[in-house]
Amino acid sequence: KAGVTQTPRYLIKTRGQQVTLSCSPISGHRSVSWYQQTPGQGLQFLFEYFSETQRNKGNFPGRFSGRQFSNSRSEMNVSTLELGDSALYLCASSLAGTSGEKILGETQYFGPGTRLLVL
Amino acid sequence: AQKVTQAQTEISVVEKEDVTLDCVYETRDTTYYLFWYKQPPSGELVFLIRRNSFDEQNEISGRYSWNFQKSTSSFNFTITASQVVDSAVYFCALSVGAGGFKTIFGAGTRLFVKA
Repeated sequence: KAGVTQTPRYLIKTRGQQVTLSCSPISGHRSVSWYQQTPGQGLQFLFEYFSETQRNKGNFPGRFSGRQFSNSRSEMNVSTLELGDSALYLCASSLAGTSGEKILGETQYFGPGTRLLVL
Repeated sequence: AQKVTQAQTEISVVEKEDVTLDCVYETRDTTYYLFWYKQPPSGELVFLIRRNSFDEQNEISGRYSWNFQKSTSSFNFTITASQVVDSAVYFCALSVGAGGFKTIFGAGTRLFVKA
């Protein structure tokens, strides 16, 4: 079974631009979460999607948004990029329950990440 | 509030040494899960283990072992006879909440294993 894939793997943008990152979960997984990893702040939760709906959101400004498609693939968008948005963006997928309930303790499987550099 | 503390920022050992990575967590929830992930230089987080708050049994998997002690809110990870391939950043994480759990990660411990 293929793992979580993220595209692109590397990206360079300039301040003020916007960027879209893509994540394809493991086949059959319906929950997709996004995380930002920086040297200063570590791993921080951005948001989580299930069945095309955002269910949880971390403490990030509205410039960070996302969506999920019917095939569970997810995209994350950052508008008006700032230097501080330079980070490794990780996507994780998990199975989720048959009714979509989040199963506490469910394992998340992470993709290789997209490394974004904002100049 | 929930919190995960990995006090060791970096650890350097020589191959074949044993090494323990510390993890201390804080939560008022009675039901929670603890995880360890490994992040090699490639960047991808690799799942290592999951424990729930009701199971304090220690676990061993090959050279890896985990010691979960609720009395001290600790979930420490030991690598026996370390190898160069163990060099990575290791994260401890806590999942809490019913219906919409969130995962809190520690800051990570960077392990260097020298040949």
